Amino acid sequence: DVKVTQSSRYLVKRTGEKVFLECVQDMDHENMFWYRQDPGLGLRLIYFSYDVKMKEKGDIPEGYSVSREKKERFSLILESASTNQTSMYLCASSSSGIGSNEQYFGPGTRLTVT
Amino acid sequence: DQQVKQNSPSLSVQEGRISILNCDYTNSMFDYFLWYKKYPAEGPTFLISISSIKDKNEDGRFTVFLNKSAKHLSLHIVPSQPGDSAVYFCAAGQLMNRDDKIIFGKGTRLHILP
Repeated sequence: DVKVTQSSRYLVKRTGEKVFLECVQDMDHENMFWYRQDPGLGLRLIYFSYDVKMKEKGDIPEGYSVSREKKERFSLILESASTNQTSMYLCASSSSGIGSNEQYFGPGTRLTVT
Repeated sequence: DQQVKQNSPSLSVQEGRISILNCDYTNSMFDYFLWYKKYPAEGPTFLISISSIKDKNEDGRFTVFLNKSAKHLSLHIVPSQPGDSAVYFCAAGQLMNRDDKIIFGKGTRLHILP
């Protein structure tokens, strides 16, 4: 069974703080993704990575950065948290190669910035 | 510009009846389509997929239909059960893409009525 874990289920941070969200997958997947989910907006891709040390911007990268130093771990960084970054953050991973685009998701981190 | 559209934000269906969730896409390069189910405070879970070489895929109570000429797909749930109450996301991608990036719709909230 694929397992994607996220470091926190709930997080409360103050405006201006630096925030780290960690994601770990145990299936040796090449691809990893960070999304945020907001009511009425669905899942929006922030950043993704298809290999160690590789990163690509998604649809809404502003205010975020990522780090992928090891294959199993993909971190999302909010350099200076703002209230409009209050959201549900979802990490996902997938195996590279032709045949399926199926992504496996973690349980999510509900981040509140006050 | 939304490439994957779910035009119904919500849908209510009587328990035991058929639930039909619809999804439209604009990018003719998409050749793989997925449906995910999401409960509150949990990550999305993969439900069923279909590639563009098929027009139907069935898995138990879930069937996905693809109409390529109309760029439309639908998810049928028969019979609907209380545990099916969730948000359903349609997603689309291209199998030849190395990074498995997929585009999500905004979701449809399904309520199963007793």
